[in-house]
Amino acid sequence: DGGITQSPKYLFRKEGQNVTLSCEQNLNHDAMYWYRQDPGQGLRLIYYSQIVNDFQKGDIAEGYSVSREKKESFPLTVTSAQKNPTAFYLCASRVGGATEAFFGQGTRLTVV
Amino acid sequence: AQKVTQAQTEISVVEKEDVTLDCVYETRDTTYYLFWYKQPPSGELVFLIRRNSFDEQNEISGRYSWNFQKSTSSFNFTITASQVVDSAVYFCALRGIIQGAQKLVFGQGTRLTINP
Repeated sequence: DGGITQSPKYLFRKEGQNVTLSCEQNLNHDAMYWYRQDPGQGLRLIYYSQIVNDFQKGDIAEGYSVSREKKESFPLTVTSAQKNPTAFYLCASRVGGATEAFFGQGTRLTVV
Repeated sequence: AQKVTQAQTEISVVEKEDVTLDCVYETRDTTYYLFWYKQPPSGELVFLIRRNSFDEQNEISGRYSWNFQKSTSSFNFTITASQVVDSAVYFCALRGIIQGAQKLVFGQGTRLTINP
């Protein structure tokens, strides 16, 4: 089946550790996005990429890093510099042009 | 800069009532796209509709309808004869083409509760 897969669904991290969230799509989409959602809040854009080997910072990129080495993959690393990483993280992709984005099922990250 | 404002944080109505979710946006782009998404308790966002800036025709899909007015920079969403299954968080989003740099920006969301 085609779609966007985020893994893991739940992730626990110790303070001071880096952790990487996976986002894979088999839809042949060009653009990919990472969002953070806090309880009762909207979605805030972390990073986005429109083509392979290129990405741009969103509104809250500090403490995060990404790579786009393959079209189908856009992993997000939450570094120790991110002071409050506990949140729900959503990955999205779209094919390009006048199209909507489709979302994965999300990863819930908790710092313990 | 792009911005989406959903002033209604929470709405609660009784089943079968009509309900309208407001969305106001800001952008300097003349070409842009507007979207509505639904987020059920499972967390995944479900796409509902896309509208481009050149098409101000209102759209109806079953019990759902959307009213796009460029003059007031609004893109409101109405559910007619609401049902309990409509309970979810609804997000309005905007993507500008040039100055917006293709960023997809979301509003804060409106939590809709339909009571039986």
